[in-house]
Amino acid sequence: GEDVEQSLFLSVREGDSSVINCTYTDSSSTYLYWYKQEPGAGLQLLTYIFSNMDMKQDQRLTVLLNKKDKHLSLRIADTQTGDSAIYFCAEAVNSGNTPLVFGKGTRLSVIA
Amino acid sequence: DVKVTQSSRYLVKRTGEKVFLECVQDMDHENMFWYRQDPGLGLRLIYFSYDVKMKEKGDIPEGYSVSREKKERFSLILESASTNQTSMYLCASSWTSNTIYFGEGSWLTVV
Repeated sequence: GEDVEQSLFLSVREGDSSVINCTYTDSSSTYLYWYKQEPGAGLQLLTYIFSNMDMKQDQRLTVLLNKKDKHLSLRIADTQTGDSAIYFCAEAVNSGNTPLVFGKGTRLSVIA
Repeated sequence: DVKVTQSSRYLVKRTGEKVFLECVQDMDHENMFWYRQDPGLGLRLIYFSYDVKMKEKGDIPEGYSVSREKKERFSLILESASTNQTSMYLCASSWTSNTIYFGEGSWLTVV
């Protein structure tokens, strides 16, 4: 079945790069997503990548996809205290109306 | 901008009460979803709907029901609230199964 795995915690110093990793099991994934959840709020779409791409860059964010290893990563350059949040990886496993499958989320703590 | 609005941010209810959580989206999205979020368990899908008057069970539907009488509105109903339903509830909507947009969440405490 479908499964998305993430480590639960990551701690980095302000100004360093953060790398949040995710593995998934379904090779028929079409899109892979990163969502950000700040304390007490809902999930905000951060970025996404189509499964035929290897990399996507958007300002401080870089998404890398290794389809062979079913591994997705999110790199945040020059991490700031405002980046402290929970980051969720999610995959769309089919076209049509199958709900996204979410990981349990990685809590990023940025130390000043 | 897509807007998904959950009418109640914080609720406190008594055990056995009937609870309604309301969600409205303004983007004419076909699909709507209800999740609950608990520490260490991530997001768990309760129910979803692909059309008006249509509903599908998610991973944890027990103790919940839903209503979708209009396209823009998706309600989650706890027929008889219990303390193990204390949680954060998240509504979401989308055009397809791909990008989904979330509301701000409703914190429910059952005492």
